[in-house]
Amino acid sequence: SQQGEEDPQALSIQEGENATMNCSYKTSINNLQWYRQNSGRGLVHLILIRSNEREKHSGRLRVTLDTSKKSSSLLITASRAADTASYFCATPDQGAQKLVFGQGTRLTINP
Amino acid sequence: DAGITQSPRHKVTETGTPVTLRCHQTENHRYMYWYRQDPGHGLRLIHYSYGVKDTDKGEVSDGYSVSRSKTEDFLLTLESATSSQTSVYFCAISESSVYTEAFFGQGTRLTVV
Repeated sequence: SQQGEEDPQALSIQEGENATMNCSYKTSINNLQWYRQNSGRGLVHLILIRSNEREKHSGRLRVTLDTSKKSSSLLITASRAADTASYFCATPDQGAQKLVFGQGTRLTINP
Repeated sequence: DAGITQSPRHKVTETGTPVTLRCHQTENHRYMYWYRQDPGHGLRLIHYSYGVKDTDKGEVSDGYSVSRSKTEDFLLTLESATSSQTSVYFCAISESSVYTEAFFGQGTRLTVV
């Protein structure tokens, strides 16, 4: 069963704009992770935020976590064409033995 | 890049034939996973391993089996391939299950005709 669900499914913006993607999940979690997938490639880990953290930054990425709402957001600032990719959130399953991925947000940055 | 290699990268096979995909890691990570990725379904877990000879099913395990006889290798076998198993398969590894990041291979594109 899907634990994390991303929203929107697709997002198209102009280069230089900010992109925001959201992830909702169903059960209590230890951490939440965001991954990027370029077309035809494997997933690449972007950032991990623990349940006791509310916000985390990595370069142009900003992730927030609201455990009371069971939601997270990924903000990419000053987007570039190279940011065009699919973005996935992943959360531990109930048994905490494996990650469960959502269906992803497909982000397109237009020049 | 994490040392994780999938083979083959592409394969076309006929319905009813057995197929084995290999995932090899050089990171000595304990956990290994097999996912399939299909349009509209995202990534779905097939099987995973939490140690040598220790494996468990994921959400879409029917028609698949796995084996892990060495830390570095995790094999995924389609006993009798069906067209519904046409997909892109990804292997992933992680050091400590859900508490650390996962590293993904480049994927294997499998077509069953």
